[in-house]
Order: sequence, then structure tokens, then C-alpha cells
Amino acid sequence: QKEVEQNSGPLSVPEGAIASLNCTYSDRGSQSFFWYRQYSGKSPELIMSIYSNGDKEDGRFTAQLNKASQYVSLLIRDSQPSDSATYLCAVNESGGGADGLTFGKGTHLIIQP
Amino acid sequence: NAGVTQTPKFQVLKTGQSMTLQCAQDMNHNSMYWYRQDPGMGLRLIYYSASEGTTDKGEVPNGYNVSRLNKREFSLRLESAAPSQTSVYFCASTIDSFAYEQYFGPGTRLTVT
Repeated sequence: QKEVEQNSGPLSVPEGAIASLNCTYSDRGSQSFFWYRQYSGKSPELIMSIYSNGDKEDGRFTAQLNKASQYVSLLIRDSQPSDSATYLCAVNESGGGADGLTFGKGTHLIIQP
Repeated sequence: NAGVTQTPKFQVLKTGQSMTLQCAQDMNHNSMYWYRQDPGMGLRLIYYSASEGTTDKGEVPNGYNVSRLNKREFSLRLESAAPSQTSVYFCASTIDSFAYEQYFGPGTRLTVT
């Protein structure tokens, strides 16, 4: 069974610090990895995608992928109170299944002013 | 460009009533998905449509039916609502079933009493 695991939190980080969010997945053949941000009462919003080992940076966000260890992480630099949200990790299954992504249950991030 | 739209935003049903949740996208995407999100359970796939004219069951299809009306629209029907179907329902779309970057609608908050 496909599994994507995240620490549910809450993860509390001071404003201006680096927030580090982690995700592990069970399907070794997974190819595509995504981070979604979900504010309370809102829908998930895609913020990062990563497909190969290493780091990918976009503004204050950096996604890191290590396929050998089956983990993907999201770093948020210079954290702002507006970054307070639940962050969902999502992974595709190997073989390119048409049913798309498997989502983790999310990590609740709180940025303390 | 509205992206993914869903109607209604909120709905209260009595046990046994039926209703249809509507979803439309204007991004010319081929694949569409219906999820439900419950506290502590994360996003769970109900049904998906890899392309116009096809639909398939996801992880939790019981009690639901879907119709891919055309390329833009994908509806979810509850024939006889049960309290266990109280949830937030999200529609999502992606350019094709192998792209994986899914974009979500705003959601429908459904309560069944």
C-alpha cells in the first residue's frame, strides 16, 4: 500500500527562522513529488514540485529530494506569519498510474511573530 | 481564467437525500479528480477521470457516482446521503494523468444530519 508520512505537528518556528518540513514515502519507484500549502478552511495550493535528486529553489522555498532514502523535505527561509498553514506532501505512484497522487496527512506549521 | 470552480460552497442534507456537486475547469485539462478531506484522514481519492469519456474508482468510492459531462465538467453525486459522508469535497484537475501537478477547486463543505 502506498504511504506518505508526515509529522502532523504543530511545528512552531519563530518569525525569520528557517522552517523545515519532512516527508517520507514507501513506494521506491515514485517519480514526482509535490508540496501543497493549505490555509485553514481553504483548498490545497501547489507551491513546489521536484522530480530529481537534490535541491530546487523557488524564492524563499527550497524542496529537497533524496530518492535513496525515500524522503523529501521543504525548507522555508525567513519564515513569515503568513506561512502559517498546513503543508501537504504528495507523491505519484511508480508506473505512472492515472489515479495520480498519494497525499500525506500534512504538517501544521505555526510561525510565531 | 477562473481555474477550477465548484458549486455549491456549502450544503446541509438530511440522511437519505441526494445531491450533485459540480466541478468545472477552464484550463483545458484532460484529467479530473474528486477528493474528500476529513480531520486526521488527509485527502482521499473518491473517483477520477483520466480523460473525457472515462471514469474510475479511487480509494473511497462507495456511496458516490460521477459523470464526466464533457472535457470541462466533472460532477459527483450522492444518491442517498449518510452522516459518514459529512466532509469537505475538493475537485482537482491536471493537464493529463501523467503530469501529476494537480490544481484544486475551492471545495464544498457538506454536512449530513
